[in-house]
Amino acid sequence: GAVVSQHPSRVICKSGTSVKIECRSLDFQATTMFWYRQFPKQSLMLMATSNEGSKATYEQGVEKDKFLINHASLTLSTLTVTSAHPEDSSFYICSARDIPGQGHYEQYFGPGTRLTVT
Amino acid sequence: KNQVEQSPQSLIILEGKNCTLQCNYTVSPFSNLRWYKQDTGRGPVSLTIMTFSENTKSNGRYTATLDADTKQSSLHITASQLSDSASYICVVSGGGSNYKLTFGKGTLLTVNP
Repeated sequence: GAVVSQHPSRVICKSGTSVKIECRSLDFQATTMFWYRQFPKQSLMLMATSNEGSKATYEQGVEKDKFLINHASLTLSTLTVTSAHPEDSSFYICSARDIPGQGHYEQYFGPGTRLTVT
Repeated sequence: KNQVEQSPQSLIILEGKNCTLQCNYTVSPFSNLRWYKQDTGRGPVSLTIMTFSENTKSNGRYTATLDADTKQSSLHITASQLSDSASYICVVSGGGSNYKLTFGKGTLLTVNP
């Protein structure tokens, strides 16, 4: 099946620094990737939709200047958390959308990145 | 407002027993309903996807049902194993141009020996 990878799996950074998370579709091309954030015991919350070659679409309440998204190729999207603060500590998950023959889109999720800001 | 409600929030069963998880949704228009398994600290993994016309779909020991009229779905797990311990998330995809997924909060299943 389709595989999505994320790197790094865990990262600890100091408050005020920036962190980049990569999301790759390993065996398929993804024109659309999604970035989610998940707090403990909560459901996944969509942060933004990343389209290859164009600007990302951010959900209401998500600061586009703080969470920079770049989708430069059909297999790679990156999320950069700028000037990170402890409240940004969370589990960040990306997904990539496939276009199967069944007529509906399948989303394949990455393994997630645990960000801890100290 | 599009919502997906799951019950119970958590469930503890003994290894080998069966269990059923519930999902109610108010997403409209509707495209498909998915069940995912999420292990702690990992990303969700798809178990089943059902469209409007499908009433039931199986994936090994997992069987999902869908009643599009009452907007309810269930996930039945038979002969549970320790490795089934995880969060099970019901996700509904909107139809038309609304491709976004609406996530339930999940049911945390613990299978004890």
